[in-house]
Amino acid sequence: EAGVTQFPSHSVIEKGQTVTLRCDPISGHDNLYWYRRVMGKEIKFLLHFVKESKQDESGMPNNRFLAERTGGTYSTLKVQPAELEDSGVYFCASSRGRGGLQFFGPGTRLTVL
Amino acid sequence: EDKVVQSPLSLVVHEGDTVTLNCSYEVTNFRSLLWYKQEKKAPTFLFMLTSSGIEKKSGRLSSILDKKELFSILNITATQTGDSAIYLCEVNFGNEKLTFGTGTRLTIIP
Repeated sequence: EAGVTQFPSHSVIEKGQTVTLRCDPISGHDNLYWYRRVMGKEIKFLLHFVKESKQDESGMPNNRFLAERTGGTYSTLKVQPAELEDSGVYFCASSRGRGGLQFFGPGTRLTVL
Repeated sequence: EDKVVQSPLSLVVHEGDTVTLNCSYEVTNFRSLLWYKQEKKAPTFLFMLTSSGIEKKSGRLSSILDKKELFSILNITATQTGDSAIYLCEVNFGNEKLTFGTGTRLTIIP
């Protein structure tokens, strides 16, 4: 069974530019989560999809961040325009059922210059 | 292929018991291993281990790394119902790569 994949693995952009991160969950997993680690070791929740619906987006920092999951399969997280403080590692995770074990992707490291 | 394996996948014990969770890894250029506790949303950081044989301790939780045998254990003594959670292991290795294990679901019965 293929795991959660994320693309790209690393992105370097300039402040003000737009970046789109992609997450492909494990096939059949309805639940998809986005997290980010900005500094240190703490991981912050961003949002949770159940199929194509946003179940909880309370962790989205501001309206520069837009997450979509059209068709309930892969998800994208767009940052527009990117700011310096958006630099960090963005993780995606998926689970079959809500509350089930989440399988984490390898993360996308975003660097905003 | 780099991989991180946690065991057991699920564990149910009674309050007061001691549990040991295992995280084994096969990665190139190991840098560090991190343990997290995930209850509702984002995982909460517990420990970061970089050196073998040095125990990290926080209250009833402790963890140690064995870089020769490529594993780490997380111990929880005198478990409480509040310890019920999913415990995640993350390994940082060469070229800033990160790999999470699948987690261990721990359930503490009162």
